[in-house]
Amino acid sequence: ELKVEQNPLFLSMQEGKNYTIYCNYSTTSDRLYWYRQDPGKSLESLFVLLSNGAVKQEGRLMASLDTKARLSTLHITAAVHDLSATYFCAVGFLNYGGSQGNLIFGKGTKLSVKP
Amino acid sequence: DGGITQSPKYLFRKEGQNVTLSCEQNLNHDAMYWYRQDPGQGLRLIYYSQIVNDFQKGDIAEGYSVSREKKESFPLTVTSAQKNPTAFYLCASKEVRNQPQHFGDGTRLSIL
Repeated sequence: ELKVEQNPLFLSMQEGKNYTIYCNYSTTSDRLYWYRQDPGKSLESLFVLLSNGAVKQEGRLMASLDTKARLSTLHITAAVHDLSATYFCAVGFLNYGGSQGNLIFGKGTKLSVKP
Repeated sequence: DGGITQSPKYLFRKEGQNVTLSCEQNLNHDAMYWYRQDPGQGLRLIYYSQIVNDFQKGDIAEGYSVSREKKESFPLTVTSAQKNPTAFYLCASKEVRNQPQHFGDGTRLSIL
């Protein structure tokens, strides 16, 4: 069965602290994406990870991929209130969804950064 | 500006009624997708289309139908057979395999 599990599902942080969101998936994948969603809004693409050991950074967010462990992490450094949102990982599995390859989404991590 | 336009933003359905959600993109993307999002849940795939005049069922296609007569348009009909249609519906498109999907702003569907 194709599964994507994120944890934690809820995360309350203080400003200035560091934390990591985890995304585990069930079988071999060739693509992993991180998205951000603000309440009632659409999804915004944050990172695209395509190979083992890939690391991408944008501001206070850094994403990495370990294909052998079937694990991606989204690390938050020195959190600020503006990072409050729901973060989704989405995984493209081999042989799921034809030539373009469809995605399976995790349930999302709702991040709340408090002053 | 290129993007994906979904309309309407809010939609109410009466018992036994079919309703159609619009999705238009001017990104010249071949692949288009419809997702359903329920509170506290991830996105679940309803239908997808990789090319004009072709579409495939996703994981939760029952009670929904689509068409893809033009590259830029991929409307979703929520039929009366869908007994629990209340959700946030998101349309997405993508250019090539490894690129991320681009999303519209969504349509929130409720039952009257």
